[in-house]
Amino acid sequence: DAGVIQSPRHEVTEMGQEVTLRCKLISGHNSLFWYRQTMMRGLELLIYFNNNVPIDDSGMPEDRFSAKMPNASFSTLKIQPSEPRDSAVYFCASSFYRGTTDRPATNEKLFFGSGTQLSVL
Amino acid sequence: GNSVTQMEGPVTLSEEAFLTINCTYTATGYPSLFWYVQYPGEGLQLLLKATKADDKGSNKGFEATYRKETTSFHLEKGSVQVSDSAVYFCALISGSARQLTFGSGTQLTVLP
Repeated sequence: DAGVIQSPRHEVTEMGQEVTLRCKLISGHNSLFWYRQTMMRGLELLIYFNNNVPIDDSGMPEDRFSAKMPNASFSTLKIQPSEPRDSAVYFCASSFYRGTTDRPATNEKLFFGSGTQLSVL
Repeated sequence: GNSVTQMEGPVTLSEEAFLTINCTYTATGYPSLFWYVQYPGEGLQLLLKATKADDKGSNKGFEATYRKETTSFHLEKGSVQVSDSAVYFCALISGSARQLTFGSGTQLTVLP
């Protein structure tokens, strides 16, 4: 398996432009996480999905950020309009979630992509 | 809420030195504890875990023991190698949370 695949690896854009980050999950995984990593704040969970459904988006900084899962194996994180303070490394991670509504479980073993280094000038 | 506190880095050691990276936590209920490692230019990888008190997680020469009385999960390795240079993250899952809470990470550099 190729692992979690993120694209692009690097993105440089100007303030005000729209940025779209992409993530392909590991085949068979059903949970998807978007994290942001900065020197100041470390790793922050932005949003996560189980079975294509957004479960917790409380980490999404503001309305400029949106995330979708158009299908079970793919996700996008969009920033519109982008600002210099959005500059960070954005990681996508996936796992296999065994829980159900009646029997919730935990997402323990995450498989991370290599990240997208975003620079907003 | 849940939180993880790691010793601040960066940590610089010579090859074959002993490593300790401290990690303490606060959590509701009985958490599961993890160490993740991030090599340069890569995403995080699970290094080891422990799911109950007094459990010892181990992998690649690294060990960490779940200490409930001190709410700690310190990472140790008896003899580090240059290839261990990376950022190490302590993390937990507890209570109703379905996702990991990460510490701030500790940068380790091992010199030859």
